[in-house]
Amino acid sequence: EDQVTQSPEALRLQEGESSSLNCSYTVSGLRGLFWYRQDPGKGPEFLFTLYSAGEEKEKERLKATLTKKESFLHITAPKPEDSATYLCVSSGGRRALTFGSGTRLQVQP
Amino acid sequence: DAGVIQSPRHEVTEMGQEVTLRCKPISGHDYLFWYRQTMMRGLELLIYFNNNVPIDDSGMPEDRFSAKMPNASFSTLKIQPSEPRDSAVYFCASSLAQPGLSYNEQFFGPGTRLTVL
Repeated sequence: EDQVTQSPEALRLQEGESSSLNCSYTVSGLRGLFWYRQDPGKGPEFLFTLYSAGEEKEKERLKATLTKKESFLHITAPKPEDSATYLCVSSGGRRALTFGSGTRLQVQP
Repeated sequence: DAGVIQSPRHEVTEMGQEVTLRCKPISGHDYLFWYRQTMMRGLELLIYFNNNVPIDDSGMPEDRFSAKMPNASFSTLKIQPSEPRDSAVYFCASSLAQPGLSYNEQFFGPGTRLTVL
């Protein structure tokens, strides 16, 4: 069964304290792995697409990486404005898109 | 571009009533997606269209739910009759496929918050 599991469910960081969010997936024939950011009361906002193991992408303080079983979203020196829920989504397998439940990140000043 | 437009932004109705949610995708995008988000179940894909044709409706929960896309610039999601458990935020998203890739970056609308009493 296609599954995407995100950990931790919630993460509280101090401003400047780097950390990583994990996304484990069991999808046969992965076609793409997506990361989105969602702020309260808004729709998800696209961050990255990763297509193959070993691929990395960066945007400001965020870097996404992909292995054959996991993806990580690394946050370097986060700021309060990075506080949001981060969603991991896979494309492939029997389902068009499989969503993780998200990691709620709170960055305190 | 105005982005994906959804209406209404909020809808409160009584159980048994028909509800119609509307979506205008970004011009030129050839994929349109409908999602439902709740605290309990997170974000769920209900149905998606490619070039106005429904491709996968396996996420539609019941026959009470139906979706149409009569043209490239408009789609509706209808619930008839509505039930309290349908209360959720419904998102519409659109994307432009790249050659050789099934799914690409999706642009989400602001959502419609539906409350069924």
